Amino acid sequence: QVQLVQSGAEVKKPGASVKVSCKASGYTFTSYGISWVRQAPGQGLEWMGWISAYNGNTNYAQKLQGRVTMTTDTSTSTAYMELRSLRSDDTAVYYCARGVAVIRFDYWGQGTLVTVSS
Amino acid sequence: QSALTQPASVSGSPGQSITISCTGTSSDVGGYNYVSWYQQHPGKAPKLMIYDVSKRPSGVSNRFSGSKSGNTASLTISGLQAEDEADYYCCSYAGSSSVVFGGGTKLTVL
Repeated sequence: QVQLVQSGAEVKKPGASVKVSCKASGYTFTSYGISWVRQAPGQGLEWMGWISAYNGNTNYAQKLQGRVTMTTDTSTSTAYMELRSLRSDDTAVYYCARGVAVIRFDYWGQGTLVTVSS
Repeated sequence: QSALTQPASVSGSPGQSITISCTGTSSDVGGYNYVSWYQQHPGKAPKLMIYDVSKRPSGVSNRFSGSKSGNTASLTISGLQAEDEADYYCCSYAGSSSVVFGGGTKLTVL
């Protein structure tokens, strides 16, 4: 069965960076992309960007350009999302989701809480 | 891009039908047949309920249906059940390999 298992919760200080991992299993990793979606406390879903696991092509949400980098390691079927220059409003649960391109997200990770606090 | 517009809340009694709207622009909802809907229970990850405007993934109840007219997409849930109480988000392709989510709708089953 398809599973996406994310790394554990993180607490970071403002200005620091965080890197969240998402290990995929149960399907051919390179046949799909991975999108990252975040959800601030009590708020809605926000798409952050997408990476093709086939060729590493990426597309990031405009508001995060320059602060976010998405990568994959096909040898371990793992996707990574790094967010730099963290601010308090980056506090959120970060989800990875398997994407059929960016058209739909059919499987989701369990979420990783990232707290940014001094 | 701006978030798609959804009502903040809707409610219905068990057995009734409800519809959640999702309004965008000709650059997203109106421009592509790539609208999806996600259900999210508290503390859980979202779950895909509808994709490509009106298609249901395997395992999703046929009580859930989707449609689109112009710049507005809709999710209809018929035969409302207590377990349907959750937050619902629409999502649309917005061109250039990007998507935009709606603000979310809280469904209360009375």
